[in-house]
Amino acid sequence: AQSVTQPDIHITVSEGASLELRCNYSYGATPYLFWYVQSPGQGLQLLLKYFSGDTLVQGIKGFEAEFKRSQSSFNLRKPSVHWSDAAEYFCAVGGSTLGRLYFGRGTQLTVWP
Amino acid sequence: DVKVTQSSRYLVKRTGEKVFLECVQDMDHENMFWYRQDPGLGLRLIYFSYDVKMKEKGDIPEGYSVSREKKERFSLILESASTNQTSMYLCASSSLSYEQYFGPGTRLTVT
Repeated sequence: AQSVTQPDIHITVSEGASLELRCNYSYGATPYLFWYVQSPGQGLQLLLKYFSGDTLVQGIKGFEAEFKRSQSSFNLRKPSVHWSDAAEYFCAVGGSTLGRLYFGRGTQLTVWP
Repeated sequence: DVKVTQSSRYLVKRTGEKVFLECVQDMDHENMFWYRQDPGLGLRLIYFSYDVKMKEKGDIPEGYSVSREKKERFSLILESASTNQTSMYLCASSSLSYEQYFGPGTRLTVT
């Protein structure tokens, strides 16, 4: 069965600290992987995506993610967090069923000044 | 730039009313999706459509129906609104690349 697990419901970091948000997936075919960000009261914005090739992908706003097939993981990282990064982050997997994506339950990020 | 618009940002309806949520995309995308989002539950897929007049049930279709008469428009219908359908509703569209583009959402309150 297809699923995405984001083990951390809520993470708090200080501004300037590094960040890693975890994502593990279960998918029966070659996965396409995505990270989205949602600011309060808004829709979701795509941060980055992995389809194939280099397993380290760069996204917008200084984010990057690494695909590790052996661990079924696609963790999101940022070297130095800014207060404006406070938001909810969603990991998603897809690739076969009529364009459908499967989303994790999200990780809420709080940034302390 | 892909744009997905939703007819209302906030909506208040009474129990038993028929509710229409409209979504329009301007990028000629084949696929369109309706999700509901509730705290702690993430995004749950209600219905999706991969072509005009075609629809597929998602994970929580009960109490909802959809209509796609034109490629750019995908409507979500609550036949008889109930309080447990109070939620944030998100529409998205995608081409064959699977990358979904989201609208701003409609916060529906059913009283």
